[in-house]
Amino acid sequence: GQQVKQSSPSLTVQEGGISILNCDYENDMFDYFAWYKKYPDNSPTLLISVRSNVDKREDGRLTVFLNKSGKHFSLHITASQPEDTAVYLCAAGKGATGGNNKLTFGQGTVLSVIP
Amino acid sequence: GPKVLQIPSHQIIDMGQMVTLNCDPVSNHLYFYWYKQILGQQMEFLVNFYNGKVMEKSKLFKDQFSVERPDGSYFTLKIQPTALEDSAVYFCASSFARGHAEQFFGPGTRLTVL
Repeated sequence: GQQVKQSSPSLTVQEGGISILNCDYENDMFDYFAWYKKYPDNSPTLLISVRSNVDKREDGRLTVFLNKSGKHFSLHITASQPEDTAVYLCAAGKGATGGNNKLTFGQGTVLSVIP
Repeated sequence: GPKVLQIPSHQIIDMGQMVTLNCDPVSNHLYFYWYKQILGQQMEFLVNFYNGKVMEKSKLFKDQFSVERPDGSYFTLKIQPTALEDSAVYFCASSFARGHAEQFFGPGTRLTVL
């Protein structure tokens, strides 16, 4: 079964609004959670990541919220802009205790920010 | 930022042939990864590699697959022989360390097996 799941294949947001992207996971052992941004035919690029010892991390317009009991994490993008339009991939891994940090990815959510 | 390059960007081959996918990782990185993405599905981990050895591989990493990085040159994924189900985009990644270290990805090689 899918260990990391993005239930919304697409999301459309008005420019200036908040984009909320969601990700659910199954494996209790995951301790590293990340969001990647991807344009077509381009490399996935890390946006922001968080370890399991924090519930929230902010970086500019981006905030990751981690809900360990619900096995859920989300990415909030404030003041969304048309250049935020891309595919957003969530990923989780086991980095601690010498883990090799193989990442398990969701299927991606296509975010469209319309002017 | 640091870039991972992949050569070629596209490859079309006949089933049963051998193919080598090349990855030029970030220069001071020590850990290397391959991921596979079948059309319409998520990226899935294949293998990671450190100090000349496979550290971990998934069940997708069939016996026909092999990886190496001879003399610090390209990190390669070889498939011999190829099968129809090997058609996918293959992404290479590298990181400076393991654990929680950021993985930098290449743009992928789209492999089509006919």
